[in-house]
Amino acid sequence: EDQVTQSPEALRLQEGESSSLNCSYTVSGLRGLFWYRQDPGKGPEFLFTLYSAGEEKEKERLKATLTKKESFLHITAPKPEDSATYLCAVQERTYNNNDMRFGAGTRLTVKP
Amino acid sequence: KAGVTQTPRYLIKTRGQQVTLSCSPISGHRSVSWYQQTPGQGLQFLFEYFSETQRNKGNFPGRFSGRQFSNSRSEMNVSTLELGDSALYLCASNWGLPNTEAFFGQGTRLTVV
Repeated sequence: EDQVTQSPEALRLQEGESSSLNCSYTVSGLRGLFWYRQDPGKGPEFLFTLYSAGEEKEKERLKATLTKKESFLHITAPKPEDSATYLCAVQERTYNNNDMRFGAGTRLTVKP
Repeated sequence: KAGVTQTPRYLIKTRGQQVTLSCSPISGHRSVSWYQQTPGQGLQFLFEYFSETQRNKGNFPGRFSGRQFSNSRSEMNVSTLELGDSALYLCASNWGLPNTEAFFGQGTRLTVV
């Protein structure tokens, strides 16, 4: 069965301590992989879309990479305001299928 | 540019009642998708509407239904509410093309008592 698994479930970092979040996926054909950030009580906020293995995208302290089986979200020198739940989602290569399948998320806490 | 707007933000309903949630997409977006988010199950896809037609449906009972209007605004209805329907309901809009990112609203927090 197709699935998306994120690890770790929770991560606590000191401010400035770089780390990576993992998203592994098994789908019959990947159309796109999406990273979102979600703050408590709010809707997910779009971060990145990755389409093919080897692709990388950056935004401020965040960098997303993609392989054939997983994606990493690297956080460099995080700040307390980076604390949030990070969600990844995959979209399958199915005609007219616009839905996304989400992982359970990684809850990141950055302490000052 | 205005984002995705969901109303109401909070709702409290009693078991057995029905509820209607509303979603106004970003201007120009023709696709609206609905998701249910709970602590135990995470974000789960309910259905997608594109040009007033349901294009895709997740694995939810028939008590969950939706529709889309000609201006792309969408409504979601849940009938005969159960305690387990308590969740954050999120809608997301995009142009409707594959591979395009979706933008989410703030959600409607539904509590069934």
